[in-house]
Amino acid sequence: KAGVTQTPRYLIKTRGQQVTLSCSPISGHRSVSWYQQTPGQGLQFLFEYFSETQRNKGNFPGRFSGRQFSNSRSEMNVSTLELGDSALYLCASTLAGTVRETQYFGPGTRLLVL
Amino acid sequence: AQSVTQLGSHVSVSEGALVLLRCNYSSSVPPYLFWYVQYPNQGLQLLLKYTSAATLVKGINGFEAEFKKSETSFHLTKPSAHMSDAAEYFCAVSAVRGGSEKLVFGKGTKLTVNP
Repeated sequence: KAGVTQTPRYLIKTRGQQVTLSCSPISGHRSVSWYQQTPGQGLQFLFEYFSETQRNKGNFPGRFSGRQFSNSRSEMNVSTLELGDSALYLCASTLAGTVRETQYFGPGTRLLVL
Repeated sequence: AQSVTQLGSHVSVSEGALVLLRCNYSSSVPPYLFWYVQYPNQGLQLLLKYTSAATLVKGINGFEAEFKKSETSFHLTKPSAHMSDAAEYFCAVSAVRGGSEKLVFGKGTKLTVNP
């Protein structure tokens, strides 16, 4: 089985722009979670989608949004980018989104905001 | 609220030495606990997990961890470090917030293995 894929792998944007990141889960997985990883804050949970519905959301401003499509692929969008949004964005997939399951992570998208 | 504390943001060991990475958790309900590893420029990979079965959990690459309820700990060990173990290690605990489940990660411990 192919693993979790994320595109693009690297992005450079300027303040005020918006960005869309994509995540394709492992085939058959219906839950996709997104995390932001920074040196200062570590791994922080953004949101989780299951069967096209957002089930859980972390403590991030409304500039961060996401969606999931019927094929379980997910996108996250960040509008009005700020310098502090520079981070590695990771997505992870599981079959059903329960915490006892192993989360399978993609390689991440590294976003640099100038 | 569930949380995880990893003691030591950096740990350095010699090749062949014991690896001990510390993790303490806080949880008001029986937790599920995980250790993940992240190699440079890669995502996270599961090393092992505790889901209320055996308290000594064996994982991949020779790692193991012991769940100690009395100490609220889930420390990760490996008897003999290898150069390829150099990576960042994350402990995580299951959390139930507002009826939804998610993982809460520690800040991570970067392991350096010296030849």
